[in-house]
Amino acid sequence: KQEVTQIPAALSVPEGENLVLNCSFTDSAIYNLQWFRQDPGKGLTSLLLIQSSQREQTSGRLNASLDKSSGRSTLYIAASQPGDSATYLCAVWEGSQGNLIFGKGTKLSVKP
Amino acid sequence: GEEVAQTPKHLVRGEGQKAKLYCAPIKGHSYVFWYQQVLKNEFKFLISFQNENVFDETGMPKERFSAKCLPNSPCSLEIQATKLEDSAVYFCASSRQQGPSYEQYFGPGTRLTVT
Repeated sequence: KQEVTQIPAALSVPEGENLVLNCSFTDSAIYNLQWFRQDPGKGLTSLLLIQSSQREQTSGRLNASLDKSSGRSTLYIAASQPGDSATYLCAVWEGSQGNLIFGKGTKLSVKP
Repeated sequence: GEEVAQTPKHLVRGEGQKAKLYCAPIKGHSYVFWYQQVLKNEFKFLISFQNENVFDETGMPKERFSAKCLPNSPCSLEIQATKLEDSAVYFCASSRQQGPSYEQYFGPGTRLTVT
């Protein structure tokens, strides 16, 4: 059974720092991995989707990498801003059915 | 529309009452997914649809939960005889097609509180 783990559970950094969020999964037979952002009381905003054949994806200050063989993905946020404060979730898509399996998230707080 | 819409935003039910949640997928998206988020950010997949057909229902507690996606109507998730443990945020997501190239876009969720 696929399990997705995110470390750390919470992270607090000063504004301007570069930071890395980690996601690991137990079964490397995934089709893609998606990073989301969730603001309090809100839905999920898709940030980046990495296909299983890809190594990384970039969008603005965000860069996500995928290493299927080791079962790991990282989300790199450059020059963090207070507006980046949110919970970041990773989810893997496996099998033919297409439902996502989520980690429990990393709650990020960026202090001004 | 351009966003997944979910109604209501909040729903409070007494234990044993029925709850019905609605989801309108993004126009042109063929697949709809329902997820349940309980405390500590635990997401659980419930059911998915391809248009009006059930695609995968492996996550559904079939005794009390049912769902439909009918043509020209919002999709619905219904819980008969709610229990305290059903308290959660229920998210609906849609995607254009099925496959790893297609992102799932999530709605804002419906917070169900069972008292």
